[in-house]
Amino acid sequence: GEDVEQSLFLSVREGDSSVINCTYTDSSSTYLYWYKQEPGAGLQLLTYIFSNMDMKQDQRLTVLLNKKDKHLSLRIADTQTGDSAIYFCAERPGANSKLTFGKGITLSVRP
Amino acid sequence: GAGVSQSPSNKVTEKGKDVELRCDPISGHTALYWYRQSLGQGLEFLIYFQGNSAPDKSGLPSDRFSAERTGGSVSTLTIQRTQQEDSAVYLCASTPVVGRNTEAFFGQGTRLTVV
Repeated sequence: GEDVEQSLFLSVREGDSSVINCTYTDSSSTYLYWYKQEPGAGLQLLTYIFSNMDMKQDQRLTVLLNKKDKHLSLRIADTQTGDSAIYFCAERPGANSKLTFGKGITLSVRP
Repeated sequence: GAGVSQSPSNKVTEKGKDVELRCDPISGHTALYWYRQSLGQGLEFLIYFQGNSAPDKSGLPSDRFSAERTGGSVSTLTIQRTQQEDSAVYLCASTPVVGRNTEAFFGQGTRLTVV
């Protein structure tokens, strides 16, 4: 079945790296995503990774995928106050399947 | 349109009234999703459309909730006899089905408050 788990809150100091973790249970998931939701705003896709990849880097963002443990992580380098938001991981087994989100983690960046 | 459009952006209704929420997906996107986000909660899946049919409506909380999609485009989510626990932000997203671009584009949501 599909279930996505995330912890709820993370606080980091500006300039430090943030690591946000996610565990999913559907081993057939082909597409895995990270979304960001700023206060009062809609969800914005940050990055995604296909299941045939182990890592993807996009500027300050690094996504790591451990398929054996069904573990997905998002590392944000040089975290800024503008990174404060709720971060959701999401999975989808295939193009014709529903998108399942985790509960989200609130990242708070302190000066 | 350029993005997913939802209307109204805010809706305040009295308990027991019916409400209709509208979603205009991105032109050409065949898949459409409805989610609900309650205060402090994650995204709760409600229903998913592929074209005009709904392969998965397992997330609808009760028979007071229904949704339809016509012409493979606009979708409406209807909540009958609203209750206070229905208060939440209702989010709509659309995705293209085929091809490598599988990003889900979200609308800004409809904030529903039942008083």
